[in-house]
Amino acid sequence: AQSVSQHNHHVILSEAASLELGCNYSYGGTVNLFWYVQYPGQHLQLLLKYFSGDPLVKGIKGFEAEFIKSKFSFNLRKPSVQWSDTAEYFCAVKGNEKLTFGTGTRLTIIP
Amino acid sequence: DAGITQSPRYKITETGRQVTLMCHQTWSHSYMFWYRQDLGHGLRLIYYSAAADITDKGEVPDGYVVSRSKTENFPLTLESATRSQTSVYFCASIERTSYNEQFFGPGTRLTVL
Repeated sequence: AQSVSQHNHHVILSEAASLELGCNYSYGGTVNLFWYVQYPGQHLQLLLKYFSGDPLVKGIKGFEAEFIKSKFSFNLRKPSVQWSDTAEYFCAVKGNEKLTFGTGTRLTIIP
Repeated sequence: DAGITQSPRYKITETGRQVTLMCHQTWSHSYMFWYRQDLGHGLRLIYYSAAADITDKGEVPDGYVVSRSKTENFPLTLESATRSQTSVYFCASIERTSYNEQFFGPGTRLTVL
């Protein structure tokens, strides 16, 4: 069975700080990987996704993620966060036809 | 407008009552999903459907029933609501041929008293 772990439950940063959110998955076969964001009071939106090719994936709003197959990781990064990045971030993995989500990381940006 | 809608957006009910949450999508996506979102658990898959009249259990199906008589609708029914089913419920859909991103509905916040 596939599973996803997000070890950071709540991250608090000041504006302009750099961000890295961890995501590790377990699955024996080929995976597709996603990061979703949920802004307060809104539904989930796709930030970025990895299917194949270049393991460094760039998404919207300056976010990027790197797929490291040997570490089963897909960490999300942003060099300089903004107050508007305050949200909950979910990593997800697709091994078969279903997506499995991590428990989410709440990101709070302090102005 | 094209998209995925859920109704109601907010619902308060009592233990033991039957509740149906509606999900409607206008893209004719083959796959549809129901998730519940709870603090500390993230999103958990309740049921999904690969096509009309084809449904399958997800991670937490107990206490829920789904049907899919039409491609565009995927209702979720709580046959006898319990307090543990207080949650935010999200419906999602995706095309069959290209497993791209899932498109999520706005969510239904359900409170069971």
